[in-house]
Amino acid sequence: KNEVEQSPQNLTAQEGEFITINCSYSVGISALHWLQQHPGGGIVSLFMLSSGKKKHGRLIATINIQEKHSSLHITASHPRDSAVYICAVRRDTGNQFYFGTGTSLTVIP
Amino acid sequence: EAQVTQNPRYLITVTGKKLTVTCSQNMNHEYMSWYRQDPGLGLRQIYYSMNVEVTDKGDVPEGYKVSRKEKRNFPLILESPSPNQTSLYFCASSLDAAYNSPLHFGNGTRLTVT
Repeated sequence: KNEVEQSPQNLTAQEGEFITINCSYSVGISALHWLQQHPGGGIVSLFMLSSGKKKHGRLIATINIQEKHSSLHITASHPRDSAVYICAVRRDTGNQFYFGTGTSLTVIP
Repeated sequence: EAQVTQNPRYLITVTGKKLTVTCSQNMNHEYMSWYRQDPGLGLRQIYYSMNVEVTDKGDVPEGYKVSRKEKRNFPLILESPSPNQTSLYFCASSLDAAYNSPLHFGNGTRLTVT
């Protein structure tokens, strides 16, 4: 059972391109998180959303609660954006987290 | 500096030899949790703790134990490790489980059980 599905699994883009990563989930949630994992393993929290849209620099995250879908957008992509992006949801019943398997992004100069 | 500290970063052990991976946070966070990350499966939650002396099972708790005697520490114990517990482990914390707040992750512990 996969409570969280991400697409695409792998993504290669040219520097400067607009990038979209999608996340769909099948359970009731209290929040959705977008995480970034660079080669070498460290995981950093990018966004936490319970509704609407958030923006931080070139990154934008949106969520549609009714459709159980979220997107992460990267504008003017840069090689330093190359990483694995992970979608995670926190259940609205209990306090468990479920994770997507990640989207591996490579941005080519 | 606000951080979650895991130790050790790398650990190689043999089947059946008890081990503990430590996790400590200096942010006075209430919520702490452990995850394992495996290729193709992503991150999966092992155990979590809402506060001192309060722990609950996540998705994959079999073969693991945890304790939360102090707010800052949340060790992960493998009483009798087996090769299928070879994985990359992460500890994470957040301010307050009742009011959604960002997760702060440790740097990970790569465990190999032979």
